[in-house]
Amino acid sequence: ETGVTQTPRHLVMGMTNKKSLKCEQHLGHNAMYWYKQSAKKPLELMFVYSLEERVENNSVPSRFSPECPNSSHLFLHLHTLQPEDSALYLCASSQVSMGVTEAFFGQGTRLTVV
Amino acid sequence: ELKVEQNPLFLSMQEGKNYTIYCNYSTTSDRLYWYRQDPGKSLESLFVLLSNGAVKQEGRLMASLDTKARLSTLHITAAVHDLSATYFCAALPSAGAGSYQLTFGKGTKLSVIP
Repeated sequence: ETGVTQTPRHLVMGMTNKKSLKCEQHLGHNAMYWYKQSAKKPLELMFVYSLEERVENNSVPSRFSPECPNSSHLFLHLHTLQPEDSALYLCASSQVSMGVTEAFFGQGTRLTVV
Repeated sequence: ELKVEQNPLFLSMQEGKNYTIYCNYSTTSDRLYWYRQDPGKSLESLFVLLSNGAVKQEGRLMASLDTKARLSTLHITAAVHDLSATYFCAALPSAGAGSYQLTFGKGTKLSVIP
């Protein structure tokens, strides 16, 4: 596989469930990102892992929890979500060195919370 | 805080016509990116603009960057139906905190009609 791959592609979960989204990049990049894309808002950066540093958007609720075990894998752990969390969740990666390459995006996970 | 504004947000144009999408950003930015997103799909990188006066062209699309005006444009020449998609611009702030975190505009939904 090449590029950035996300699983699952689609997920339906109840508000009391716990699930995880997975992202894997095969580009040798050193930064990975989670973005949320919903119909009502522009692309929203949720979390960044870059050079082993984690940066988060302070507006992201604690029911979203990222994990980055190594530079190639990124997870987003979900628990007790709300219907308004239904959205397309996009993972991306880029190379951060002297400059920054463009971000390459995965196909996304379409999440529906019922 | 870097803010990115695109206009128009919706654009309906006839095949064969020309049009320009505008992207303004609020603070000094080193890099400007253009992405395309088809319905239900992920974001595809189109252009990376790295310096003032940069111009890049791919097929019927041409992107330019004016860092003094904090403005990038995406010009569409002789539009065809296949160009129908949502186009996003995104900017990186200049070196410093968050300098690898892309900020996206709201996107321009382009519909090309026969």
